[in-house]
Amino acid sequence: AAGVIQSPRHLIKEKRETATLKCYPIPRHDTVYWYQQGPGQDPQFLISFYEKMQSDKGSIPDRFSAQQFSDYHSELNMSSLELGDSAMYFCASSLERSIPFFGPGTRLTVL
Amino acid sequence: DAKTTQPNSMESNEEEPVHLPCNHSTISGTDYIHWYRQLPSQGPEYVIHGLTSNVNNRMASLAIAEDRKSSTLILHRATLRDAAVYYCILDQTGANNLFFGTGTRLTVIP
Repeated sequence: AAGVIQSPRHLIKEKRETATLKCYPIPRHDTVYWYQQGPGQDPQFLISFYEKMQSDKGSIPDRFSAQQFSDYHSELNMSSLELGDSAMYFCASSLERSIPFFGPGTRLTVL
Repeated sequence: DAKTTQPNSMESNEEEPVHLPCNHSTISGTDYIHWYRQLPSQGPEYVIHGLTSNVNNRMASLAIAEDRKSSTLILHRATLRDAAVYYCILDQTGANNLFFGTGTRLTVIP
């Protein structure tokens, strides 16, 4: 079965640079969730979208923004990167805000 | 946010049943109980969820206390592949914006 696709899988950036992470949900899924997981930490909910509208907001920094496009894929944009932004970023998708299924994640390293 | 409390770690022998407890004493009547697990270097994986009644699927069983203030995830026969961090999460939003707490790290001993 098709799963959530995230790209890139690995990303290395310098401090103060910007990064864009992409998430392609499972076909026909209309809801996307973004999570951040720092080293040795538990996943933290950032933001979610349902039918291309922001649904809920968690602990997403102001330097981060996200959107869901007409084809339901989503992008997480991160600006003015800091060392503390180094983490795994997981995207999950669901159908009509039902059970989320997670992707393999993007590992972001900020140097 | 309603909190869940889980043991930090548990051990189980391979091929034996495992009972992973979760306390959620402040749960409200409409909160679903979700269980996810995260294997090393992977994204969280859905295991099971329920509201009031016990639930079974091919991966596990979920036993929910009558007062809903606690639940137990049951793995019927632990395998080495079940070694993971198991998270018990309450969905208060009704939209599955899941707020992960500190889960239980399960070690399976061969």
